[in-house]
Amino acid sequence: GENVEQHPSTLSVQEGDSAVIKCTYSDSASNYFPWYKQELGKGPQLIIDIRSNVGEKKDQRIAVTLNKTAKHFSLHITETQPEDSAVYFCAASPTYGNNRLAFGKGNQVVVIP
Amino acid sequence: NAGVTQTPKFRILKIGQSMTLQCTQDMNHNYMYWYRQDPGMGLKLIYYSVGAGITDKGEVPNGYNVSRSTTEDFPLRLELAAPSQTSVYFCASSYSIVTTQPHLHFGNGTRLTVT
Repeated sequence: GENVEQHPSTLSVQEGDSAVIKCTYSDSASNYFPWYKQELGKGPQLIIDIRSNVGEKKDQRIAVTLNKTAKHFSLHITETQPEDSAVYFCAASPTYGNNRLAFGKGNQVVVIP
Repeated sequence: NAGVTQTPKFRILKIGQSMTLQCTQDMNHNYMYWYRQDPGMGLKLIYYSVGAGITDKGEVPNGYNVSRSTTEDFPLRLELAAPSQTSVYFCASSYSIVTTQPHLHFGNGTRLTVT
């Protein structure tokens, strides 16, 4: 099955700086790559996703890039704010079916005011 | 809309006890899922359902059972609790895969400790 690796496990950034989280996946058939944000005591929430026919997608301060040849995708957060502090999960799926969605282990982002 | 609601929020069980984790959604999603989240291990799919009356195993189904009698409800049953089932459990729902919005909507989780 799909194996998703996420790096680094913890990332500390100064408020206003950028944060980048990288994920690699193993199954070349994967074509759907969502990112979820989990705040303390809450369930994960989708923040952005990308499909394999697109190389980059932006939504305000958040962007995701995808390199299908290298089988990796990254989350970019610009102008970080304290409310960006959370655990971020990447995931990959070979279809739009969530029953085959494989999650990374998560990345703790800490924004230092 | 309340979204996905899970109860209870916390529970402590003794080894061998049983319990049901409740999950309900009011978004009329036909797909529902149960995940467990262990520290530093991401999310693992336990069971999922594509509609009322239909359930299927995920990656880690052993020790659990589910049922889906209505579109709204998807309870998770632990029959003989074991320490290895200590985890945070998340229920989620989504539209059908044929739509353009397949992303998961999660509840806030149930933290279960088995001692």
